[in-house]
Amino acid sequence: DQQVKQNSPSLSVQEGRISILNCDYTNSMFDYFLWYKKYPAEGPTFLISISSIKDKNEDGRFTVFLNKSAKHLSLHIVPSQPGDSAVYFCAASAPPSGGSYIPTFGRGTSLIVHP
Amino acid sequence: NAGVTQTPKFQVLKTGQSMTLQCAQDMNHEYMSWYRQDPGMGLRLIHYSVGAGITDQGEVPNGYNVSRSTTEDFPLRLLSAAPSQTSVYFCASSSHYAAEKLFFGSGTQLSVL
Repeated sequence: DQQVKQNSPSLSVQEGRISILNCDYTNSMFDYFLWYKKYPAEGPTFLISISSIKDKNEDGRFTVFLNKSAKHLSLHIVPSQPGDSAVYFCAASAPPSGGSYIPTFGRGTSLIVHP
Repeated sequence: NAGVTQTPKFQVLKTGQSMTLQCAQDMNHEYMSWYRQDPGMGLRLIHYSVGAGITDQGEVPNGYNVSRSTTEDFPLRLLSAAPSQTSVYFCASSSHYAAEKLFFGSGTQLSVL
């Protein structure tokens, strides 16, 4: 029973165009959402996050949008570059109960940006 | 600035063998965790620790043991390896209540024959 779903295993985009990666969640207690990027043979690295009190967060070419009513978030990359080719993981956290946030990860979307 | 260091990078085991995957962080992070990544399955939490002396189970804990005797180290033990434990293992750490910025190690590719 996946609480964080990335329904598109892969996405192919032309360089310079927009990449949109989607993520859906089922747990209404989630209040913090994150995106991680992973290159082959490396560990994931944090990319961008958003709190449930916001509906948008930007960092350079990367923007994350949150639609709480639809339990949906998306990562927009504009413009896409070949170096963005990687696996992108969506993660979500509920408020900690006596400990740290424990993120739940989606299964990832493999983005390929063609030159 | 080493961050999160995992050793070994690659390991091949025979069924029934035991081994320990090492993880160390130099950022004084309270929270440490172990994930496994399998094709099409994303990152699944095995065990985690919110501080020295405290550990808890994640989503897929069976077949794995952990301990946290120091803030820096969080080893993962496979007591009797099984082919189903063939996977890529990642250790991650973060500061307490920091929902963002999990810092991951570079991973251990484990094959169990």
